[in-house]
Amino acid sequence: DAGVIQSPRHEVTEMGQEVTLRCKPISGHNSLFWYRQTMMRGLELLIYFNNNVPIDDSGMPEDRFSAKMPNASFSTLKIQPSEPRDSAVYFCASSLGQGASYQETQYFGPGTRLLVL
Amino acid sequence: AQSVTQLGSHVSVSEGALVLLRCNYSSSVPPYLFWYVQYPNQGLQLLLKYTTGATLVKGINGFEAEFKKSETSFHLTKPSAHMSDAAEYFCAVLTNDYKLSFGAGTTVTVRA
Repeated sequence: DAGVIQSPRHEVTEMGQEVTLRCKPISGHNSLFWYRQTMMRGLELLIYFNNNVPIDDSGMPEDRFSAKMPNASFSTLKIQPSEPRDSAVYFCASSLGQGASYQETQYFGPGTRLLVL
Repeated sequence: AQSVTQLGSHVSVSEGALVLLRCNYSSSVPPYLFWYVQYPNQGLQLLLKYTTGATLVKGINGFEAEFKKSETSFHLTKPSAHMSDAAEYFCAVLTNDYKLSFGAGTTVTVRA
């Protein structure tokens, strides 16, 4: 099993530019999570999808952030326009089942390290 | 709201010594608790989890954790540290069916 795949692994961009992060969950998993990790705030859940439907986006910082899951094997997280304070490591995770993670383990991807100048 | 607090942002141990990472939780309901490990430039990997049943939970790589309700604790231990244990460790609590609330993390360094 290839695990959760994220691309790019590193992204450097200038303030104001659009950034798109990509995630391919583990085949057969129907729950997908986007997290952000910063020194100041630690690990935060941004959005949770179940069966390709956004269930909880309460962690999305603001309207500049958007996430989509057009099918079971692909999701994107977009930041437009990007700002320096968006610099962080963004993780995608997936799990099997209906998102009851006490039963189902969340498997994390390697992350995308984003730097906005 | 459920949350966890990790005591100590950095822990340094000698190779072969006991590893002890502290985690205390706050929860109004029986908690589901987790320990994750993050190696440099990698994603998080589940070490172990407590849901119900036995309070001593064994995980991968020789780690184990004990759920103590009276102390609201879920400390992670390993009897003998190995150089490969150098990583960051996160304690987490499930706050609803899917949302994990993570602690701030503890970085472990292992001295030869």
